[in-house]
Amino acid sequence: DAMVIQNPRYQVTQFGKPVTLSCSQTLNHNVMYWYQQKSSQAPKLLFHYYDKDFNNEADTPDNFQSRRPNTSFCFLDIRSPGLGDAAMYLCATSRPQGIETDTQYFGPGTRLTVL
Amino acid sequence: GQNIDQPTEMTATEGAIVQINCTYQTSGFNGLFWYQQHAGEAPTFLSYNVLDGLEEKGRFSSFLSRSKGYSYLLLKELQMKDSASYLCAAKDSNYQLIWGAGTKLIIKP
Repeated sequence: DAMVIQNPRYQVTQFGKPVTLSCSQTLNHNVMYWYQQKSSQAPKLLFHYYDKDFNNEADTPDNFQSRRPNTSFCFLDIRSPGLGDAAMYLCATSRPQGIETDTQYFGPGTRLTVL
Repeated sequence: GQNIDQPTEMTATEGAIVQINCTYQTSGFNGLFWYQQHAGEAPTFLSYNVLDGLEEKGRFSSFLSRSKGYSYLLLKELQMKDSASYLCAAKDSNYQLIWGAGTKLIIKP
């Protein structure tokens, strides 16, 4: 089945220790998104790639970086995790079709714990 | 500013009907989505409305009024597995999704 896969599902890191979360997709969608979601809050868009074009949200901290080496894979790097970065990180994909809907499909998420 | 408002929490009884409301204020409008999110899991797509009116999909229906900036999600014949958060998200003129914080729906036997 076509899907969005995130690894790992659970990640524990230490304060200040770099961590990388990964996302892959078999949907062949050209847009990939990274969201941060804290408990009982709306998902917060960190950045997205439209093909190879990187789009950073204005309020995304520099501590968060992303790489998309090819259509299928996207990585989220947190250079120096702080306690406030503990959250669920969601990867999503979509294929925009002009003015029509481009539904976002989500992976299962990675829950990050910072000790 | 852009904003999505939906109730924080609702409670309903198994087998009943519940309506979850959402109001939105966005710069332009290009459609409204409803997602279901079970605790600790990712959101899953439920419905999309871009024209006024009701879209029915099995036990779930979604309604949109663009003039009022208003949508609702209607869940019929509630089952215990429907206990989840329901997220409303509106697409603005830049095709960016503006998300609500979600409505936690609690189903009681």
